[in-house]
Amino acid sequence: EAGVTQSPRYAVLQEGQAVSFWCDPISGHDTLYWYQQPRDQGPQLLVYFRDEAVIDNSQLPSDRFSAVRPKGTNSTLKIQSAKQGDTATYLCASSSDRGENSGNTLYFGEGSRLIVV
Amino acid sequence: GDQVEQSPSALSLHEGTGSALRCNFTTTMRAVQWFQQNSRGSLINLFYLASGTKENGRLKSTFNSKESYSTLHIRDAQLEDSGTYFCAATNTGYQNFYFGKGTSLTVIP
Repeated sequence: EAGVTQSPRYAVLQEGQAVSFWCDPISGHDTLYWYQQPRDQGPQLLVYFRDEAVIDNSQLPSDRFSAVRPKGTNSTLKIQSAKQGDTATYLCASSSDRGENSGNTLYFGEGSRLIVV
Repeated sequence: GDQVEQSPSALSLHEGTGSALRCNFTTTMRAVQWFQQNSRGSLINLFYLASGTKENGRLKSTFNSKESYSTLHIRDAQLEDSGTYFCAATNTGYQNFYFGKGTSLTVIP
């Protein structure tokens, strides 16, 4: 089965510019996550969806970040007016509940690396 | 504060040797996952545990929810094991996973 696909792989922006990241999860996975991973740190959850519904976006900087998953499949994460502090890799993951032994195993894409100068 | 504390932050192993990585949790967790992040930045699934121990080749992982920790044992380390290892755990409904800061492993020839 195809894995999680993300694009673009890289983006370089000046402060104040906008960017959108796209994610295609594994087919049939109902849950989709966006994580932010600054350099030399662990991934930090921004938002996650079950189907098209936002389950938790409490860590999403709502003034400049937005995320949608309108049909419960692909998702887009958008950053308006980027800041240098947004420099990080943005990781998309998907999962599907497979019971106690495998649970909601997260499968990650290769990430979109953002540099804001 | 951090709910997942990983140790050590960095580790060097000679080929053929082994060691253990550990995650301590500050709250009761229901499940834990372990990942290896390679040089390309890809996060590779190693284990998912809701309890007990799982083994896969040279890797073995244990999750003790009552004592709030999980371990990842690597034996007979190989050069391709180099990378950063993360644990991630959830305390609610198997969905919201919190990551540790990672252990950077270097395997030396």
